[in-house]
Amino acid sequence: EAGVAQSPRYKIIEKRQSVAFWCNPISGHATLYWYQQILGQGPKLLIQFQNNGVVDDSQLPKDRFSAERLKGVDSTLKIQPAKLEDSAVYLCASRDPHRASYNEQFFGPGTRLTVL
Amino acid sequence: AQRVTQPEKLLSVFKGAPVELKCNYSYSGSPELFWYVQYSRQRLQLLLRHISRESIKGFTADLNKGETSFHLKKPFAQEEDSAMYYCALSGKSQAGTALIFGKGTTLSVSS
Repeated sequence: EAGVAQSPRYKIIEKRQSVAFWCNPISGHATLYWYQQILGQGPKLLIQFQNNGVVDDSQLPKDRFSAERLKGVDSTLKIQPAKLEDSAVYLCASRDPHRASYNEQFFGPGTRLTVL
Repeated sequence: AQRVTQPEKLLSVFKGAPVELKCNYSYSGSPELFWYVQYSRQRLQLLLRHISRESIKGFTADLNKGETSFHLKKPFAQEEDSAMYYCALSGKSQAGTALIFGKGTTLSVSS
């Protein structure tokens, strides 16, 4: 089966600009996650979707970050305006909640964002 | 507070030596524990889960609830084991399935 797809792979912007990332999960995976991984740290959850509904966005900086999954498949994550501290790798992951006994998340390759 | 601690940033061993990557956790309840691995230029992938109690690529990990630890072990390291290893936990409810990761340990195996 095809894995989780993300684009772009790399993005360089200046502070105060806007940026958007796209994720296409594995077909049939209703649960989708966005993680932020700052250099030297482990990934940290930003938002979790179940189909097109938000399950957990408690760690999403909502003054500048937004995410949507309108049709319950693809998702976009937006930052507006970007700050220097947003430089990180943004990881998308998906999971099949119907296989609850096999709680494995599948990760995309990530988008490396550099804010200058 | 829910937290995963990996005390070693880097672990360097020689080929054939035993390996132990340490992981301690803090969680109210009964979490699921995982080890994820990222090889050079590859995406993050699951290595093993405590529920499965299996050995993957010669690695095992035992959940010790008394010590709140989930250390990853391999008796004889191979050069292809060189990678970044992350310990992670998740809850079991629908809302709690997001992973909480440690900072990771780089394992370097040299000949």
